[in-house]
Amino acid sequence: DGGITQSPKYLFRKEGQNVTLSCEQNLNHDAMYWYRQDPGQGLRLIYYSQIVNDFQKGDIAEGYSVSREKKESFPLTVTSAQKNPTAFYLCASSIWPANTGELFFGEGSRLTVL
Amino acid sequence: DAKTTQPNSMESNEEEPVHLPCNHSTISGTDYIHWYRQLPSQGPEYVIHGLTSNVNNRMASLAIAEDRKSSTLILHRATLRDAAVYYCILRDDTPNFGNEKLTFGTGTRLTIIP
Repeated sequence: DGGITQSPKYLFRKEGQNVTLSCEQNLNHDAMYWYRQDPGQGLRLIYYSQIVNDFQKGDIAEGYSVSREKKESFPLTVTSAQKNPTAFYLCASSIWPANTGELFFGEGSRLTVL
Repeated sequence: DAKTTQPNSMESNEEEPVHLPCNHSTISGTDYIHWYRQLPSQGPEYVIHGLTSNVNNRMASLAIAEDRKSSTLILHRATLRDAAVYYCILRDDTPNFGNEKLTFGTGTRLTIIP
C-alpha cells in the first residue's frame, strides 16, 4: 500500500546525543515536511523540501538538520543543540505544486530525552 | 504568510450537526482553504479543501464566505469518532519555491457529548 512511514515510533535519548528520525514515502511525492508537536499544542514546521537536494527552514529549524538525497526519503536529525527536543515529530508529504493536493502524514515519532 | 484563527474548543451533542468556524481575513486570491483533523497520538488526516465554492465530500462540507475571509467546516451528523482537533490552513496555489511553508495553528478541539 502507498503511504508514508516514520520510524522509530518511540525513541529515548540521553542529553547531548544526536538522533535521526526516518521518514520514507512511496507516493512519488515531490514535497516533504517535518513538524513538531508539543502536548496540547498545534503543529510547528521545522523543515520542508519541495524537490530533491533542496530544503527550506521552517519556523523552528534551530537545533535540527535534514537531507533530501532521494525523493522518497527525508530524514530529520535532532542535534544536541536543540534545547528541548522531547516532542512528537510528524512527517508529511504532498504533490508539488500542491494547491489542491492533500498532505499525507505519517504516524509520528515520539522522542523523549532522559 | 496568511494566517487562520479558530476557536480553541467546541462541544457538540452526538448525532447533531457541527459547524467549525475559521477566520482568514488576510487570505490571498491564490490561497486554497484546507481542513485537517487529528485524533489523539496520530498524524493529521485530510478532511476537505476548497477555493471559492462550497464543497461536499463523504466526510464533511465546506462553506466559504463570499469574500473568502472566513469558512466553516460542517459535520452533518457528529459521531463519537469525530472527536478530534480540527485545523484550518491555507495553501498557496503559486508554484514558487519557498511558498510551501504550511503553518498549522492550534486548531479547534471538538468534544462530542454522547
